[in-house]
Amino acid sequence: AQSVTQPDIHITVSEGASLELRCNYSYGATPYLFWYVQSPGQGLQLLLKYFSGDTLVQGIKGFEAEFKRSQSSFNLRKPSVHWSDAAEYFCAVGSGAGSYQLTFGKGTKLSVIP
Amino acid sequence: DTGVSQDPRHKITKRGQNVTFRCDPISEHNRLYWYRQTLGQGPEFLTYFQNEAQLEKSRLLSDRFSAERPKGSFSTLEIQRTEQGDSAMYLCASSFWDRSYEQYFGPGTRLTVT
Repeated sequence: AQSVTQPDIHITVSEGASLELRCNYSYGATPYLFWYVQSPGQGLQLLLKYFSGDTLVQGIKGFEAEFKRSQSSFNLRKPSVHWSDAAEYFCAVGSGAGSYQLTFGKGTKLSVIP
Repeated sequence: DTGVSQDPRHKITKRGQNVTFRCDPISEHNRLYWYRQTLGQGPEFLTYFQNEAQLEKSRLLSDRFSAERPKGSFSTLEIQRTEQGDSAMYLCASSFWDRSYEQYFGPGTRLTVT
C-alpha cells in the first residue's frame, strides 16, 4: 500500500524568504503526486499535480514541486513566501491502480513571520 | 462553478445519536468522494461514488457508516450510534470521471461527539 511522509510538522519562515516543504512517498510504480493547501476553516485546495513527463511542475500561487524518483520525493518550493501562504500543506499520492483514493501525509503547518 | 458545498459546517451531538451530513458536488462532476480528517492528521479516504454507484469503500467505513448518492447528484453520509472516536472533520470532494485525481474539496463538516 502506498504511504506519504511529511517529515516536518511545523515550519516557520520569514516573509520574503524561500520555502521548501518535504514529501517522501512509498509506492511501487510511478505514482500520481499532489500538493494541497488547507487554510483554517477551509477545504483543501489543489496547488499542483504530477502524473508524468517533466519532473518540475508549476502550480498556482507561485508554487512548484520537483519529482525525484531516485529519492522517492516530491518537495514543494516557493522562492519568496507571502504572509498569506501561512496554512497547512498536505502531500498526497494516488495509486492509479483502479482506485481513485488519495493517500495523504500528516501535513506541514507553515507559519510566516512578518 | 460554485464549488463543493457541505452542510452543516459544524455538528455537535451526543454519543449514541445518529447524524447525517450532506455534500453537493460541482454540478458537472460525476465522481464524489468522502474523506475523514482527525486532528493532526491528513484526510483519510472513506468511500467514493461514480454517479449513483458506490464503487469503493475503505475499511474505515464501519457498519455504522452509510453513504448514498441517490440521483447521482448530492450525497449523504450517515453515522449511526455515534461514538466519541467519530469526532473529526468530514470532507467531501468531487471530480470528473476522466480526471479522477483532480479532486476538488468542500469546506468540510466538523463533527463533535460529546
